[in-house]
Amino acid sequence: GENVEQHPSTLSVQEGDSAVIKCTYSDSASNYFPWYKQELGKRPQLIIDIRSNVGEKKDQRIAVTLNKTAKHFSLHITETQPEDSAVYFCAASRRGSGSRLTFGEGTQLTVNP
Amino acid sequence: DVKVTQSSRYLVKRTGEKVFLECVQDMDHENMFWYRQDPGLGLRLIYFSYDVKMKEKGDIPEGYSVSREKKERFSLILESASTNQTSMYLCASSSGGYDEQFFGPGTRLTVL
Repeated sequence: GENVEQHPSTLSVQEGDSAVIKCTYSDSASNYFPWYKQELGKRPQLIIDIRSNVGEKKDQRIAVTLNKTAKHFSLHITETQPEDSAVYFCAASRRGSGSRLTFGEGTQLTVNP
Repeated sequence: DVKVTQSSRYLVKRTGEKVFLECVQDMDHENMFWYRQDPGLGLRLIYFSYDVKMKEKGDIPEGYSVSREKKERFSLILESASTNQTSMYLCASSSGGYDEQFFGPGTRLTVL
């Protein structure tokens, strides 16, 4: 089955700096890669996703890049703000899996004012 | 807005008890999921269902079972609770394909 590894497990940045979280996956048939954000005490929510026919996707201050050859994808957050502090999860899914996602271990991002 | 609700936010049970966790979604979603969340381990899939009365094992199904008798409701059952099942349990639903999974608020289960 699919295995997703996520690094780093914790990340601390100063407000205004950029943050990068990286994930690798094992199943070359995976073709959908969402990112979820979970604020303290709240439920995970989708923030951005990318499909395997696209190399990069941006949404305001967040972007995701995908390297299918190397089987890794990354989340980039620019101009970080304190409200970006949360746990971020990457995930992977492949066609025919019934929407089943395999999640990474999560990254605790702390943005210091 | 999609609403996914779970029957309890906090639950304390004794070892050996039978435990029912219920999840209800109000958006007519085909797919429903049960995860457990433990620090450093991410979200691990226990079971999922893509239709009424259908179920599929996830990555960690041992010690759990599920029931989906109605489209909007997906129940997770711990037949005989053990201390290593102390965890946060999250339910989610999606409409299918590559659509977003919407999560419930979670149930923090403690087994003593």
